[in-house]
Amino acid sequence: AQKVTQAQTEISVVEKEDVTLDCVYETRDTTYYLFWYKQPPSGELVFLIRRNSFDEQNEISGRYSWNFQKSTSSFNFTITASQVVDSAVYFCALHTGGFKTIFGAGTRLFVKA
Amino acid sequence: DSGVTQTPKHLITATGQRVTLRCSPRSGDLSVYWYQQSLDQGLQFLIQYYNGEERAKGNILERFSAQQFPDLHSELNLSSLELGDSALYFCASSGNVGGADEQYFGPGTRLTVT
Repeated sequence: AQKVTQAQTEISVVEKEDVTLDCVYETRDTTYYLFWYKQPPSGELVFLIRRNSFDEQNEISGRYSWNFQKSTSSFNFTITASQVVDSAVYFCALHTGGFKTIFGAGTRLFVKA
Repeated sequence: DSGVTQTPKHLITATGQRVTLRCSPRSGDLSVYWYQQSLDQGLQFLIQYYNGEERAKGNILERFSAQQFPDLHSELNLSSLELGDSALYFCASSGNVGGADEQYFGPGTRLTVT
């Protein structure tokens, strides 16, 4: 069975703090794709990153970085020097061969000024 | 702006009624996905269409149906509405059939059933 777990329901940080959002996934497929999406207060989900199961390289994009570890089935997301505009709900998602994308429950991030 | 449009933005209706939600994908995208987001169920995949054909089904109730038209826009029909159907309904689109590429989401339709 496919499953995505985001154990952190809510995280609250002060601006300029670093924060890591955890994502643990389960699948028996050897080929799969992992995603992170951001849902700001406006409501529309925004794509952040896609990673396939054969590419374990970490990725950095500005203040965002992602750490993919197949050994622990984790795909964690770190925001460095958080800003108020980072306040949103962040979803981790898994796509396997069954044409379905499964989303985690989401982590709500509050960044206080 | 993702390029995906959804109408209406808000919909208030009564139990037992039927509504139609509309989605236009990004220009050039052939796949359309429908999702339901509610507080208790989270973000749930409902159904996917690719170039007019149904490709994948998720947790879609029998009271719900969808279709994709030749111009690639899609409609989600919800009938015999219940209070529990109140939710935010998202449409997303992507270029490929498999769903492994990133999906671009519309602004959603907030459905309230009273």
